[in-house]
Amino acid sequence: AQSVAQPEDQVNVAEGNPLTVKCTYSVSGNPYLFWYVQYPNRGLQFLLKYITGDNLVKGSYGFEAEFNKSQTSFHLKKPSALVSDSALYFCAVRGMDSSYKLIFGSGTRLLVRP
Amino acid sequence: DVKVTQSSRYLVKRTGEKVFLECVQDMDHENMFWYRQDPGLGLRLIYFSYDVKMKEKGDIPEGYSVSREKKERFSLILESASTNQTSMYLCASHRFRQGESSYNSPLHFGNGTRLTVT
Repeated sequence: AQSVAQPEDQVNVAEGNPLTVKCTYSVSGNPYLFWYVQYPNRGLQFLLKYITGDNLVKGSYGFEAEFNKSQTSFHLKKPSALVSDSALYFCAVRGMDSSYKLIFGSGTRLLVRP
Repeated sequence: DVKVTQSSRYLVKRTGEKVFLECVQDMDHENMFWYRQDPGLGLRLIYFSYDVKMKEKGDIPEGYSVSREKKERFSLILESASTNQTSMYLCASHRFRQGESSYNSPLHFGNGTRLTVT
């Protein structure tokens, strides 16, 4: 069965420093992986998705994600954090049934301090 | 850009009431989904629909039903609201394409409806 895990409930980083939000996955077959961001009282916004063969995927707002097949990880990264990046981040994997549903991790709250 | 609109941002209902949450998408997407979001649990799938009048149960369908009479509209119904249904409800849509590209395309979410049942 497909699943993702986000091991950190919260990540704290100073503005200007690099950030990493961790995600590990378990899939049968090809991994279809996604990152979303949620600002307070809003829905989820798509950030980026894994593209087969690309170990570093670039997405919106300067975010990127590093895919590592041997470690079954898809960590979200940004070279220089902004206070406005503070939000809730979700990693997701596509289910392999015919529903095309996404299976989400529990979320990681990113807090960027000035 | 895909627009998914949920009719209410905030709702307060009483225990036992019948509650309707409405969702409309403007991109002619085939697939639509209802999730609920709770702290520490992420998003869990309640129901989904892959066509008009078609519906399938997700992971937590108990206490809910859905309706899809038109392609653009997907409604979530709480037949008799209970306090444990207090949550954030998120609607999403997805375009179906033949082959791998359907697996590779994201869901598009509305802004959510925060429902409180008292």
